[in-house]
Amino acid sequence: NAGVTQTPKFQVLKTGQSMTLQCAQDMNHNSMYWYRQDPGMGLRLIYYSASEGTTDKGEVPNGYNVSRLNKREFSLRLESAAPSQTSVYFCASSRQGTPTGELFFGEGSRLTVL
Amino acid sequence: AQKVTQAQTEISVVEKEDVTLDCVYETRDTTYYLFWYKQPPSGELVFLIRRNSFDEQNEISGRYSWNFQKSTSSFNFTITASQVVDSAVYFCALSERGSQGNLIFGKGTKLSVKP
Repeated sequence: NAGVTQTPKFQVLKTGQSMTLQCAQDMNHNSMYWYRQDPGMGLRLIYYSASEGTTDKGEVPNGYNVSRLNKREFSLRLESAAPSQTSVYFCASSRQGTPTGELFFGEGSRLTVL
Repeated sequence: AQKVTQAQTEISVVEKEDVTLDCVYETRDTTYYLFWYKQPPSGELVFLIRRNSFDEQNEISGRYSWNFQKSTSSFNFTITASQVVDSAVYFCALSERGSQGNLIFGKGTKLSVKP
């Protein structure tokens, strides 16, 4: 029962470096999401993909790009990492777009930007 | 604008005590959905419950119960006879109709249950 799988789980970057967070779900869900979690801030939506072939900005999209590669995979790219992007990133999926379907989350990816 | 407020940052109780986690929300939409998620120390987020704005019936699931009151814009979560395994951060969240994934989370309440 893999559910939502994120890689890598931990990453340290230097300011200005780029990286891609990978996310895959095996539940045949239509919608996928990227959130970031910062201390005392709860979770904030970065980007989402309501269905294969579509992506939309969430609350905090600046500094990020996404790709919905296929129905299973949704990647998040940091083109030029900044210390403000130090956070825990969560990928999630749902059977249909919220609000009717609950989100299934991955285990999170902890990113540190020095 | 939509907003979720969890005023309790941290709560500490002793095992077997009952504890209520508060959640107050703001929305202009008449159709919306409320959620509770649990984040144990291991870090993953676990869905607990979803309620829609037209269903104000309280819900009970084992030791967990939820009290939804539209009149006070609150969706409180009570754990009865708490256990150490209930120690986690609990998030309340709101989604409006047509929001397509923009689930607005509160900042979370960290619950510590001591033996």
